[in-house]
Amino acid sequence: EAGVAQSPRYKIIEKRQSVAFWCNPISGHATLYWYQQILGQGPKLLIQFQNNGVVDDSQLPKDRFSAERLKGVDSTLKIQPAKLEDSAVYLCASSLVRLRGIEQFFGPGTRLTVL
Amino acid sequence: AQRVTQPEKLLSVFKGAPVELKCNYSYSGSPELFWYVQYSRQRLQLLLRHISRESIKGFTADLNKGETSFHLKKPFAQEEDSAMYYCALSGQGMDSNYQLIWGAGTKLIIKP
Repeated sequence: EAGVAQSPRYKIIEKRQSVAFWCNPISGHATLYWYQQILGQGPKLLIQFQNNGVVDDSQLPKDRFSAERLKGVDSTLKIQPAKLEDSAVYLCASSLVRLRGIEQFFGPGTRLTVL
Repeated sequence: AQRVTQPEKLLSVFKGAPVELKCNYSYSGSPELFWYVQYSRQRLQLLLRHISRESIKGFTADLNKGETSFHLKKPFAQEEDSAMYYCALSGQGMDSNYQLIWGAGTKLIIKP
């Protein structure tokens, strides 16, 4: 079974530029999560999708971050414009269903550096 | 407030010695807790969850509601246990949706 795919793996941009990350979850997984992991911290949930609908985006900085999952499969996360404090690893995860306690499967992450 | 605390950023023990990675949580409801692990150059993956009451790779974790802890233990450490370990709590987010709340992680180094 193929795992969660993410691209790019690394990205370096200057502040005020835009960047987009792509995620392809495990086939058949209805729930998709985007996390931000700043160095030395645990992952922080940015947004959670159930199929193509948003379930929770309470921690997404909506003035600069946006995400979509148009066909209920792939998802993109965009930052526009980027700030220095956005430097982090962005993790995508998926789970079969949206149930408390269900295992989440993670992608390799995208390491973003904002200069 | 919902919070997970892992007090040790780094834990270094010798091979064959017992290991205990500490995790404390703050949650008003009935908690569900997990340990995730990230080996070098690998993805974050589930190690174990308290509801399963299982032992994975020799690791166990017991939920202690009185002490609000979920410490991860292994009696005899092996070099392949070296990794980053994260404790996570299934807590409530927007509209009562459950989301994982993560500790900052503990880096475990097993010395030969």
